[in-house]
Amino acid sequence: DAGVIQSPRHEVTEMGQEVTLRCKPISGHDYLFWYRQTMMRGLELLIYFNNNVPIDDSGMPEDRFSAKMPNASFSTLKIQPSEPRDSAVYFCASSPNRGNQPQHFGDGTRLSIL
Amino acid sequence: DQQVKQNSPSLSVQEGRISILNCDYTNSMFDYFLWYKKYPAEGPTFLISISSIKDKNEDGRFTVFLNKSAKHLSLHIVPSQPGDSAVYFCAATDSWGKLQFGAGTQVVVTP
Repeated sequence: DAGVIQSPRHEVTEMGQEVTLRCKPISGHDYLFWYRQTMMRGLELLIYFNNNVPIDDSGMPEDRFSAKMPNASFSTLKIQPSEPRDSAVYFCASSPNRGNQPQHFGDGTRLSIL
Repeated sequence: DQQVKQNSPSLSVQEGRISILNCDYTNSMFDYFLWYKKYPAEGPTFLISISSIKDKNEDGRFTVFLNKSAKHLSLHIVPSQPGDSAVYFCAATDSWGKLQFGAGTQVVVTP
């Protein structure tokens, strides 16, 4: 079975540019999560969706960050404009339902903002 | 505030011996706990979980123990193998499903 697929795996761009990260969750999973991993803050939840609807975006750091899920098989996380402090590894995860079900993670996008 | 804490950033263990990883939490509403394993350049992989109604769950070489009164859980790996060298994350969630992760423990299994 295909796991969670993220693209691109690596992104290097200059400050001020728009960055779009993509995620394809596991088919049949109702929940999709976006995480960010940094040395300082570890793994932190940014936003999650249930049945394509954003449920909790309290972890989104600033208005420069936005996320969408136009359908059950695709989600994007966009940063506009990007800043050097946004450099991190961004993970997408999905799960069949909330609560007592493990989330399955993609391999992440390593983002570097110069 | 950090609701899930892994106070040991690293652990070195000899192949064949037991690895014990510890995790503490502060939120008494957490009712489901998970351990994830992460290799470099890969996403975290689910390893084992435990519900708050249990105090032990075992899966092959991996056992997780939960002490609710102490708000403490541990992961035992026995015997440790070279392929177990990875970063291990403890995570916890309440019924809303939002995972809170610890900072991780780097395990190195030496020959």
